[in-house]
This record gives sequence, C-alpha cells and structure tokens, in this order.
Amino acid sequence: DAKTTQPTSMDCAEGRAANLPCNHSTISGNEYVYWYRQIHSQGPQYIIHGLKNNETNEMASLIITEDRKSSTLILPHATLRDTAVYYCIVRVHGGSNYKLTFGKGTLLTVNP
Amino acid sequence: DTGVSQDPRHKITKRGQNVTFRCDPISEHNRLYWYRQTLGQGPEFLTYFQNEAQLEKSRLLSDRFSAERPKGSFSTLEIQRTEQGDSAMYLCASSLVFGEGLYNEQFFGPGTRLTVL
Repeated sequence: DAKTTQPTSMDCAEGRAANLPCNHSTISGNEYVYWYRQIHSQGPQYIIHGLKNNETNEMASLIITEDRKSSTLILPHATLRDTAVYYCIVRVHGGSNYKLTFGKGTLLTVNP
Repeated sequence: DTGVSQDPRHKITKRGQNVTFRCDPISEHNRLYWYRQTLGQGPEFLTYFQNEAQLEKSRLLSDRFSAERPKGSFSTLEIQRTEQGDSAMYLCASSLVFGEGLYNEQFFGPGTRLTVL
C-alpha cells in the first residue's frame, strides 16, 4: 500500500469546516483513499472512501485531486464530538488485501 | 446494539500471567481481524480470519500469542506469559466480504486495554 503523510495536529472552531489534508504521492491507479477516525478510548470508525471522484456522505466529503496524489477530508460543520485522530489510508480492494495500515494520523481538536 | 463487542474492556495482569480476550463480531460478518495499538501510534494488524480459518498472521504475533475463531463467529486472543511490552489496546474488527472482497469496510469494537505490571 502507498504511504500517506498527514499533519500531526490541527485545530478547528466549532461550527466551522474542518479540512484535513493527506498526501499520497505514490498512490497506484487501483488504490482507494480511505478515511477512518478514532475518538479517544474508542475503536476506529469508518468515515468515507473514494477512488478518483469526489465523494460525500452524511459524515463528510472527500476531495481527491485530479492527479490523485493528495486528498482532503472535509467535515462541513465541525462539532466538539468530532475531536478525534483522523487516519488517511490508501489500499487496493479485493485479492489478498485484507488489512488496514494505519499511520499516526492527524489529531483534530475542535474548540468551542 | 449490533456492533462489534469486546470483553473485557480493561485487563490488568502481572507479568508472566496468561490473559484471554473475546471478540464478538457483527453477526453476518465473515471476516474478523485483530489489531494492536500502543500509545500514540495507529493500530497495527495482528491477524485475521475468514470464517473459522486463520489466513494471515503478522510477525508482530509472537509464539506467545494465539487466536481462534472456532465456529466462525466469536474469536479469542490469548497471550501467554505476558510481558510489559504487551501492554496495549487490542482491537477487534469485522467485515463482510463478497467474492474477491470488492468492498471491505471494517467495523471496529471498543478494544480491550491490557496493562501488564
């Protein structure tokens, strides 16, 4: 799986959009971009994933650049409960790819 | 709640003791994974099962570690002769995989925090 680079930490004001960047310059054509988050003392939680098109669900939006070398996770209206470590992961689907390879992620702190 | 459950949530043990953790996946999920997470790090893959078959073990899983999923439902992770370095959060996840696993979202449990004194 390609390596990802994320900032160690970010701050965001409550109610504002949180934009979390991720660099994955060595991503292959068949690798998807996944985002998980982990709230303190809980297990990771799936947020969203995409291949090359922008994706949106009830939790967040995922913007992938045209060259797919970077992406941004957007939480449109951050709340205090969004304070968590956010992990960006790239991986292929199917075949023998069965595990998630986590880095250290970005600690997002939402401030009141 | 039909999510992944783990028991116990916390375990404190003395060095040299054996410990066993249990994971109950989401009922229809055929894949079950174990990860370990130390302070300040992301989770690290340990092993996974497809139904009752253990298909892969990380080199992180020393001979003191053993995992089972006897009937393809719940799983246990046992650590024998615990060491202080085994102190970590042990996370279980499950997923439903069709055919070649085109979509493999993993659902995680709350974890078991092990402290070895």
